[in-house]
Amino acid sequence: NAGVTQTPKFQVLKTGQSMTLQCAQDMNHEYMSWYRQDPGMGLRLIHYSVGAGITDQGEVPNGYNVSRSTTEDFPLRLLSAAPSQTSVYFCASLGGGYTYGYTFGSGTRLTVV
Amino acid sequence: DAKTTQPPSMDCAEGRAANLPCNHSTISGNEYVYWYRQIHSQGPQYIIHGLKNNETNEMASLIITEDRKSSTLILPHATLRDTAVYYCIVRVSTPNDYKLSFGAGTTVTVRA
Repeated sequence: NAGVTQTPKFQVLKTGQSMTLQCAQDMNHEYMSWYRQDPGMGLRLIHYSVGAGITDQGEVPNGYNVSRSTTEDFPLRLLSAAPSQTSVYFCASLGGGYTYGYTFGSGTRLTVV
Repeated sequence: DAKTTQPPSMDCAEGRAANLPCNHSTISGNEYVYWYRQIHSQGPQYIIHGLKNNETNEMASLIITEDRKSSTLILPHATLRDTAVYYCIVRVSTPNDYKLSFGAGTTVTVRA
């Protein structure tokens, strides 16, 4: 049981490039979400999904797309990377009843130059 | 979700209990209190949550006041590995609302 797996762990992009951050969970959790954390700041919600085929925007969705074709996977796509998207990205999932705690991945550290 | 207020930082001696306060004076009746922590460079880790009763698990204890306007997370025997940022979050737990709102948290430093 791996929990929430994020890949890659580190990535450097040039401005304007696109890429996909991968997130997978093996706990059959319905709810998944993406957060970003800028240096010295708290986590901010980018997008979330309450189940396969359903996604919605969080508080900072601009510049990012998501899809949820399976319960296990919730990839985050950067369409045209900008230096302002330099951050640490965390994926989280929730299951077993909506009052339980979230399980977070170990993060992807993204630098856009 | 109700806002929370936490002290920005606190120190604790190794082996002693760490008591982390959180004020949530605008909490409503259907909001739970959650605690998470984030050890440097890692993803946040769920610690404990409660509605109105005190709760205890293998990591910590959560004491919620009778009026539910504040709570205290207790780490009974702090170790150096407990050095982290601790987040107190209150949220409605319904099937249609799963979002977590993280504030600045309390940076806890456990000293040898």
